Amino acid sequence: AQKITQTQPGMFVQEKEAVTLDCTYDTSDQSYGLFWYKQPSSGEMIFLIYQGSYDEQNATEGRYSLNFQKARKSANLVISASQLGDSAMYFCAMRLMDSSYKLIFGSGTRLLVRP
Amino acid sequence: DGGITQSPKYLFRKEGQNVTLSCEQNLNHDAMYWYRQDPGQGLRLIYYSQIVNDFQKGDIAEGYSVSREKKESFPLTVTSAQKNPTAFYLCASSPNYEEGDGELFFGEGSRLTVL
Repeated sequence: AQKITQTQPGMFVQEKEAVTLDCTYDTSDQSYGLFWYKQPSSGEMIFLIYQGSYDEQNATEGRYSLNFQKARKSANLVISASQLGDSAMYFCAMRLMDSSYKLIFGSGTRLLVRP
Repeated sequence: DGGITQSPKYLFRKEGQNVTLSCEQNLNHDAMYWYRQDPGQGLRLIYYSQIVNDFQKGDIAEGYSVSREKKESFPLTVTSAQKNPTAFYLCASSPNYEEGDGELFFGEGSRLTVL
């Protein structure tokens, strides 16, 4: 069965420092997509970054980068130069490239940025 | 502006009552989804629909019902059969598979509390 695991329930980081949020996934499929979403206290889900299983380079979007290690089935999110506004829940998710379009989510990591 | 609108934002219900959560999108997306989020947890899929007049059960469909009579609308009914309905409900949509990576676009959520 497909599964996403986020082992860090909560993390602290000092403002302006980098932080890595861990995500491992389990699937027997060869084709899949990996996503990271941010959820502020207001509740909406904000898309951050996407990595396809066949992408050879790690995805980057501004201060966000995805450290994709396919053999280890990990897709860690790296946030550089943390800002106070980065304090939120972060969810890793996986999409199977079948017709269902469904995303499977991990349990999330709560990040708190300290001034 | 294009987006997904969920209403109401907050809803209180007495035990034994059915309640319907509204979800409307003007993004012209084919697929729509309902997720449930419990405190400190990830998102779990309730129902999804890839096309008008068709929908499929997700992982936790018991006690819920949906309809998809129009492309832009995907209401969720929480029935009295749902044993523990107090949760945060998120609606999402996504474009056709060929049009993107499968990113989900989320509404701002509806928080349901059963008294």
